[in-house]
Amino acid sequence: EIVLTQSPATLSLSPGERATLSCRASQSVSSYLLWYQQKPGQAPRLLIYDASNRATGVPARFSGSGSGTDFTLTISSLEPEDFAVYYCQQRSNWPRITFGPGTKVDIK
Amino acid sequence: QVQLVESGGGVVQPGRSLRLSCAASGFTFSNYAMHWVRQAPGKGLEWVAVISYNGNNKYNADSVKGRFTISRDNSRNTLYLQMNSLRAEDTAVYYCAKDGSIAAADYYFDSWGQGSLVTVSS
Repeated sequence: EIVLTQSPATLSLSPGERATLSCRASQSVSSYLLWYQQKPGQAPRLLIYDASNRATGVPARFSGSGSGTDFTLTISSLEPEDFAVYYCQQRSNWPRITFGPGTKVDIK
Repeated sequence: QVQLVESGGGVVQPGRSLRLSCAASGFTFSNYAMHWVRQAPGKGLEWVAVISYNGNNKYNADSVKGRFTISRDNSRNTLYLQMNSLRAEDTAVYYCAKDGSIAAADYYFDSWGQGSLVTVSS
């Protein structure tokens, strides 16, 4: 099983600041890495697919990068609605896909 | 727009069974693989099962193998999850999710339902 590790567990920032979230895989997943956003009481929402492609309707302030084992989700300038939990997911080793434990972005 | 509505959750005793349903609309259901993903209270996400667009191929996570069965009825635009021999550790919100690729199962989820809570407790 490919284990995904996300850091930090919690990121405390103010609106307007830049957020940098990390996801590391225990073995290479090529570019088959996705990012989701989840707000309390809501279902997850797809943000980024295959490392760097924004999903439909996702604002340009969200960007993804990386390949192999190290990936980054960047939010260039935090909006109030961006405070949420972010999960990475690998689809390289299907059907044994796995999610990371999540990074919570909260208001400082 | 895509809409996925789960139903069938509730409280069930350990060892008993439950069937979840997911009614789909707003897209051509029969063109897409579908998944179940669950989330235990206060925990992260866990993929549970997938079924191909035509129902011919299915895979389960090891944690539910032999106990859960995914199925679909393309004439009714509905996805199902039959859960047998339920355990306390199956307690979770169960989401149905649409695969992001047409025809193929590419194991990413571009639309999700609102979730259905299953609580396994005596």
